[in-house]
This record gives sequence, structure tokens and C-alpha cells, in this order.
Amino acid sequence: DQQVKQNSPSLSVQEGRISILNCDYTNSMFDYFLWYKKYPAEGPTFLISISSIKDKNEDGRFTVFLNKSAKHLSLHIVPSQPGDSAVYFCAASVNNNDMRFGAGTRLTVKP
Amino acid sequence: DTAVSQTPKYLVTQMGNDKSIKCEQNLGHDTMYWYKQDSKKFLKIMFSYNNKELIINETVPNRFSPKSPDKAHLNLHINSLELGDSAVYFCASSQEAGQETQYFGPGTRLLVL
Repeated sequence: DQQVKQNSPSLSVQEGRISILNCDYTNSMFDYFLWYKKYPAEGPTFLISISSIKDKNEDGRFTVFLNKSAKHLSLHIVPSQPGDSAVYFCAASVNNNDMRFGAGTRLTVKP
Repeated sequence: DTAVSQTPKYLVTQMGNDKSIKCEQNLGHDTMYWYKQDSKKFLKIMFSYNNKELIINETVPNRFSPKSPDKAHLNLHINSLELGDSAVYFCASSQEAGQETQYFGPGTRLLVL
């Protein structure tokens, strides 16, 4: 049961522009959401998170938006840099337990 | 249909015990992985198997031994459990080795007392 879905397997963006990565979920009990970044041959590393009591969390170039009514999560990267090229996973959990991951979106930032 | 499943979901055990966590994927993928999630939510890769053969073996104590009876299963056996082994362990699979789109299991929360 894919409770967390990333429907775009890949995204290509020009350097300096905005990257928008999307994630949808089905379980309304999720109360904590995370984005991970993964480089080749490494495990995913934690990037940014948001609690369900918020609708936006910003950390430098990275902003995560949460739309609970639509059960939709997005990660915005502005401005995009070539070093941002990686696979991005979204994840969601209930009470910091039972974490579920999306399948990932490969972001390519072109110079 | 569950794509990647793990059992058990929770595991509480005493130090020194031996335990196994099972992982199964029904996606027909060739490659499977085990990750350990630390307290800061980082996922550290432990092992990767491609078609039942070990291809990645990070610096993990040899108390951890993966076993892949077929390409749909990758089980993790842990001997002489220690307190520091307490974590959430995630299994994942991908169509082939090196492919970064991965499907994760729901995780197994291990607590060693």
C-alpha cells in the first residue's frame, strides 16, 4: 500500500530557476513529513521536515509546503544549483513512527 | 498490494539475543537494500544485494548478516544484539543496481533492552 506517492520519477530544471518536487499521501493520520536527498551509492540524507501543524517551513534555499486538505507536500528549491542534482524522497510518519517513503524523484539541474 | 513488506514491524528484545528481520518485495526488482535510520533520521546504507549477490557492504559489524534466499527476499540477521543496535531498519528495492528510484518498506523498529 503506497501511502506516499511521488508521481514524477524525474524532473529537469535550469540552473538558477525554481525546482518543485511534489508528493501526495493518502493517510490523513500522518503528522510529520520529511524530505530526503540521495546521491548515488549513498543512503538518503535528511534535508528538511514539516509538522502537520504548519503549512510552510523554510531553510535557506529549501522550502517545504504542506496542504493537508489536498494531502499534498511539495519541496521548492530556489535558486536551483547543479549540486542539487540528486534523487529526492518524501516521507511521512505518524507520531514519529511508521515512516513511509515515496519512490523518489530524480532532479537534474542543468548548468 | 504491498510492494515491499517487512516483518516484524516492532521488535523488542534483550541484549545478547539473536534476531532476524525479514523483507520481501513483489515488484520483480533485482536489487534490495537494508538501511539503518539513526536518531537524527539519517538513513545509513548497510547492505545491497543484486540478484541474491552482495554488491554493497558498508562498515557494519559482522554481527549483522544479510541473507538473500532469492531475489525477492533479503533478510537481516543480527547476532548478539547490543543497545546501540536500537533503531529503525528499512528495507528497499529497485529495478536494478545503481537505480536510485527505490521503494521502501514500512520499517522495523528494533529496541534492545
